[in-house]
Amino acid sequence: AQSVAQPEDQVNVAEGNPLTVKCTYSVSGNPYLFWYVQYPNRGLQFLLKYITGDNLVKGSYGFEAEFNKSQTSFHLKKPSALVSDSALYFCAVRDPGSGGYQKVTFGTGTKLQVIP
Amino acid sequence: GAGVSQSPRYKVAKRGQDVALRCDPISGHVSLFWYQQALGQGPEFLTYFQNEAQLDKSGLPSDRFFAERPEGSVSTLKIQRTQQEDSAVYLCASSADGGASSGANVLTFGAGSRLTVL
Repeated sequence: AQSVAQPEDQVNVAEGNPLTVKCTYSVSGNPYLFWYVQYPNRGLQFLLKYITGDNLVKGSYGFEAEFNKSQTSFHLKKPSALVSDSALYFCAVRDPGSGGYQKVTFGTGTKLQVIP
Repeated sequence: GAGVSQSPRYKVAKRGQDVALRCDPISGHVSLFWYQQALGQGPEFLTYFQNEAQLDKSGLPSDRFFAERPEGSVSTLKIQRTQQEDSAVYLCASSADGGASSGANVLTFGAGSRLTVL
C-alpha cells in the first residue's frame, strides 16, 4: 500500500527567508509525487510533480521540490517566502504499479505561516 | 466548463436526513474522484470513476454512502441517514485520462461541498 507522511503540522518562516515543507513516502515501486496547495475555502491546487528524470522539479509560484530516492523524500522548497504563500500544503503519491488506474494518496497537510 | 464545479458549497443536515452532493467535472475528463476531508486532515479517498464505470469504491466508509456517474460526466455522491461523523468537506477531482497511462495526470479539484450534520 502506498502512503505519505508530512511530519510537521505547521511551519513558520519569516518573509524573505527560505522555506522547506517536508514529505516522505512509501510505495512498492517508483513513485509519482505531487504537491498541492489549499487556500481557505478553496479546493486543492496543483503546484508541481515528479514523474521521472531530474530530481529537482520546479513548479508554480517559485516553488520547487527535490526527489530523494534513498531517503524516500520529496521536500517542498522556496528560496524566499512571501506572506501570500501562507496556506495548507499537501504532499501526494501515486503508485504506478497499483493497477489499471492511479489512486492518489494524500498526506495530512502542513500549514505554512509566513510572518511579515 | 473551465473548472470542476461542486454544489451545494454548504449543506446543513439534521441527523438522519439524506443528502446529495453534485460534481460537474471538466468537460472530457475521463477520471473522476471523490475525497472526504475532515477538519484539519488531508483528503481521504472515497471512490473513483473511469467514465461511467465505478472502478474503486473501497474508500466509502459505509453502505450509507453511494456514488454514481451514469453518463460519464456529472457525478453525485449520496449519503443516506446522515450521522454527525459524516460532517466534512467532500472534494471532487477530475483528470484528463484514465487507465495505466494516466499516472502523471494532475487532478483538478473543485472547491468542495462542506457538509455539517447536526
